[in-house]
Amino acid sequence: NAGVTQTPKFRILKIGQSMTLQCAQDMNHNYMYWYRQDPGMGLKLIYYSVGAGITDKGEVPNGYNVSRSTTEDFPLRLELAAPSQTSVYFCASSSRDRGVQPQHFGDGTRLSIL
Amino acid sequence: GENVGLHLPTLSVQEGDNSIINCAYSNSASDYFIWYKQESGKGPQFIIDIRSNMDKRQGQRVTVLLNKTVKHLSLQIAATQPGDSAVYFCAENSGQGAQKLVFGQGTRLTINP
Repeated sequence: NAGVTQTPKFRILKIGQSMTLQCAQDMNHNYMYWYRQDPGMGLKLIYYSVGAGITDKGEVPNGYNVSRSTTEDFPLRLELAAPSQTSVYFCASSSRDRGVQPQHFGDGTRLSIL
Repeated sequence: GENVGLHLPTLSVQEGDNSIINCAYSNSASDYFIWYKQESGKGPQFIIDIRSNMDKRQGQRVTVLLNKTVKHLSLQIAATQPGDSAVYFCAENSGQGAQKLVFGQGTRLTINP
């Protein structure tokens, strides 16, 4: 059981480039989330999804887009990379069964914008 | 808005001692709290959670205490081991269904041999 899988693990982008961070989960979770973590800080929610076809903004959505075409996948898109988007990005998922359930995280994508 | 913070950014304890990591939260409407452990280069790993209708919950070597009166959360780790060295985050949630967790800054726990 792989859990939450994120690719790539590392990436360096130039300012203005675009890229998609991939996230897949094999736990059949309805809820999926994207966070960013800046050095020495806690995680901040970028976007989340309650199911296929449904997405919503979190605390820091500017500069990002998401889509949720399947239950398993929740890609995060950066259209015009900026230095302020240098961060570690974490994807998470959780079940909606039996009330609130803990989120399970991937190991992150470390992104540098130069 | 909501804010979750920690009293101490770093904590050093002797191997075998008990550790207590504290967390303050500001949103009295939060109804779910969770502790994560994050090792270097890894994603957060779930440790234990607690709902607002409880004031204590125990797991294997860990206990979470919730004091809603003063909006305080703590994580107790019994008989600390070298493998417990990590950054520990508390987070709170005030939403229903999908969680919009608000994370604290984290506490780095170091175990001295």
